[in-house]
Amino acid sequence: NAGVTQTPKFQVLKTGQSMTLQCAQDMNHNSMYWYRQDPGMGLRLIYYSASEGTTDKGEVPNGYNVSRLNKREFSLRLESAAPSQTSVYFCASRWTLNTEAFFGQGTRLTVV
Amino acid sequence: DQQVKQNSPSLSVQEGRISILNCDYTNSMFDYFLWYKKYPAEGPTFLISISSIKDKNEDGRFTVFLNKSAKHLSLHIVPSQPGDSAVYFCADVGGGSQGNLIFGKGTKLSVKP
Repeated sequence: NAGVTQTPKFQVLKTGQSMTLQCAQDMNHNSMYWYRQDPGMGLRLIYYSASEGTTDKGEVPNGYNVSRLNKREFSLRLESAAPSQTSVYFCASRWTLNTEAFFGQGTRLTVV
Repeated sequence: DQQVKQNSPSLSVQEGRISILNCDYTNSMFDYFLWYKKYPAEGPTFLISISSIKDKNEDGRFTVFLNKSAKHLSLHIVPSQPGDSAVYFCADVGGGSQGNLIFGKGTKLSVKP
């Protein structure tokens, strides 16, 4: 049982480049989330998908887009990367609103 | 406005002693909270939860207390072990206007042998 799988684990981008972070879960969870973790800032919600076919902005959505491709997959896209997007990105999923979430191992992104 | 607050960025305790990590909250939809533990270069892992129907939940060395009137919860680790050294996040299962999983900034616990 893989749980939540994120790819890639590491990435270095130049300013202005684009990329997509992939996330897949095999727990049949309805809700999926993208967070970023920065020193001293905790985990901040970027975008979420409460169920297949829906996506909504979280606390820090600027510069990002998401796609809920199907129930399993939720991708995060940076259209034009900026140094301020250097961070560790975590994908998470949970069954429903009042349950715990399971996290992937994270993607460490550096924008130079 | 920060909805989940962990006011202590770090905590250092001696092995065998009690560790107490604190969390304050506002605007919770369910009064249902989670604690996560995070080691460097790994994703957060779920540790223990507390719901509004209880004021205490125990799991081995870990106990979480909830004071709804004070909007405060705390995680107690007894006895603390060096392997407990990690960042601990408090999370509101239904935080904000949309019931999202909202995290505090975390507390880095160091347990010294």
